[in-house]
Amino acid sequence: EAQVTQNPRYLITVTGKKLTVTCSQNMNHEYMSWYRQDPGLGLRQIYYSMNVEVTDKGDVPEGYKVSRKEKRNFPLILESPSPNQTSLYFCASSLGDRVGGELFFGEGSRLTVL
Amino acid sequence: KQEVTQIPAALSVPEGENLVLNCSFTDSAIYNLQWFRQDPGKGLTSLLLIQSSQREQTSGRLNASLDKSSGRSTLYIAASQPGDSATYLCAVYSGTYKYIFGTGTRLKVLA
Repeated sequence: EAQVTQNPRYLITVTGKKLTVTCSQNMNHEYMSWYRQDPGLGLRQIYYSMNVEVTDKGDVPEGYKVSRKEKRNFPLILESPSPNQTSLYFCASSLGDRVGGELFFGEGSRLTVL
Repeated sequence: KQEVTQIPAALSVPEGENLVLNCSFTDSAIYNLQWFRQDPGKGLTSLLLIQSSQREQTSGRLNASLDKSSGRSTLYIAASQPGDSATYLCAVYSGTYKYIFGTGTRLKVLA
């Protein structure tokens, strides 16, 4: 089954404790992206990757890091989480061709930073 | 800068009614527009993808239309059911690896 898998789905952590949210897709997609969703603000892009070893900032990259060492994986790293990073996070992927392609989403990871 | 707007923010209708959700975008230079459904606390499920060269796409009771020149898309839901209750989002792709999302319309279908 074609899917985007995120882990963990739920996480409560404390300020400053490094964490990683994993994302994996099994569709051989070139493009992967991370979003955060907050009430009243909609979906905002954090980082995206056009291919292995190629990443770029989205609209709200501060406080986050990413890496794309393999085509299928695109982890999101919070080096020193703060309460304002409490949010619902989504990973998404698409073929990434010139016309964009259909975007597929993971189930989301709800993060609470105390 | 591309902006995507969805009005109304919330909509409540009785079961069986046909309804239309709206999505507007400011820059008509798009490659595609996609409609999604999101249930509370869940991920986004793709409903329909319309390429810029297409006027509409259909899937079951759903029909999405695209008018690039006026910067508008509509999602038509026929014979609505309580199970259609969810938030519906649209997103446009204008190139440069960024998809721009609207803030969604929260739909409630009353039994």
